Amino acid sequence: GAGVSQSPSNKVTEKGKDVELRCDPISGHTALYWYRQSLGQGLEFLIYFQGNSAPDKSGLPSDRFSAERTGGSVSTLTIQRTQQEDSAVYLCASSRRLASYEQYFGPGTRLTVT
Amino acid sequence: DQQVKQNSPSLSVQEGRISILNCDYTNSMFDYFLWYKKYPAEGPTFLISISSIKDKNEDGRFTVFLNKSAKHLSLHIVPSPPGDSAVYFCAASGVRGAQKLVFGQGTRLTINP
Repeated sequence: GAGVSQSPSNKVTEKGKDVELRCDPISGHTALYWYRQSLGQGLEFLIYFQGNSAPDKSGLPSDRFSAERTGGSVSTLTIQRTQQEDSAVYLCASSRRLASYEQYFGPGTRLTVT
Repeated sequence: DQQVKQNSPSLSVQEGRISILNCDYTNSMFDYFLWYKKYPAEGPTFLISISSIKDKNEDGRFTVFLNKSAKHLSLHIVPSPPGDSAVYFCAASGVRGAQKLVFGQGTRLTINP
């Protein structure tokens, strides 16, 4: 079956522009997570969804970051007024349910802010 | 505050020998630990996990050991073919489910022919 997909795979944008990153989780997975990996760092949790609701937004680094999930499936991570420190690989993962420890990751979107 | 630490950024191992990757954590509330493997330009893939009520879990070539008193876990890979060359991440999850995983910085494992 299809795994987690993300688009675009690469995104180069100018400082100050807004970007949208998309995640398609594995069909039937109710929980969805966003992480980012900055250069030389581990994965940093951003936000998770159970269905369409996001009970914990504490990982979002600033109010320029927002995410939504519609229909319990596709999720979009939006970064407004991008800054150079936003450059990273943004990874999406899904799991069968929220308390399932095994998360399945997509290939990520590499964001470069120039 | 780095709650999960992988103090070795890189490790080189001869092909066919055992690879041992280490991970330390500081939060005693973590109750589940996982190892992920990541190839370049791909997302991490799950390898093996262990609950805090166990001290060892084995799955094929992979064995994870947990020492709760030392807040330390290790991943043993036996044997190690060249295809195992990748970045390995240790991750931990808190009480009451995996709302989020806390990852270490990763260890780049290189298997030398």
